[in-house]
Amino acid sequence: KAGVTQTPRYLIKTRGQQVTLSCSPISGHRSVSWYQQTPGQGLQFLFEYFSETQRNKGNFPGRFSGRQFSNSRSEMNVSTLELGDSALYLCASTSEGAAGNTIYFGEGSWLTVV
Amino acid sequence: GENVEQHPSTLSVQEGDSAVIKCTYSDSASNYFPWYKQELGKRPQLIIDIRSNVGEKKDQRIAVTLNKTAKHFSLHITETQPEDSAVYFCAAPSQNSGNTPLVFGKGTRLSVIA
Repeated sequence: KAGVTQTPRYLIKTRGQQVTLSCSPISGHRSVSWYQQTPGQGLQFLFEYFSETQRNKGNFPGRFSGRQFSNSRSEMNVSTLELGDSALYLCASTSEGAAGNTIYFGEGSWLTVV
Repeated sequence: GENVEQHPSTLSVQEGDSAVIKCTYSDSASNYFPWYKQELGKRPQLIIDIRSNVGEKKDQRIAVTLNKTAKHFSLHITETQPEDSAVYFCAAPSQNSGNTPLVFGKGTRLSVIA
């Protein structure tokens, strides 16, 4: 099985711009979640989508949004970029089993805001 | 909500020695505890997890122990090798339903000295 695929892997944006990141989960996984990783704050949950519906949301401002498509692919968008949005954005695909869920991460999208 | 504390933040061991990383959690209802390894510039990779119906789980040189009464769980790596050098994250679910999303510890940077 192919793993979690994220695009683009690296990008540089200017303050005030917006960015869209894409994630394709592992085949058969219906849940996708997004995390932000920074040296200071560690790994923080952004939001989770299941069957095209947002199921959970973290404590991030409304500039951060996401969506999921019928094929389970997901996108997240950050508008009006700030310097502090520079981070590794990780998409996670969830395997749902009888014993519980297991989360697998993609390679991430490195965003630098200048 | 769940709070996860991880110690130590850095750990240096001689090759061949054992390494132990400890995490505490706050929500007594949590029942799933994964550990992720993140090498420099790469994605967090699930290395082992434990569910609350067992107290210990082993996979070759890696083991995780869980003490639900004390609300802590630990990662044990025996016979450490240079390739074990990485940042290790523990996690617990922020809510009991479905084991997602995850709340992560701040990470432990393990250095194995040859």
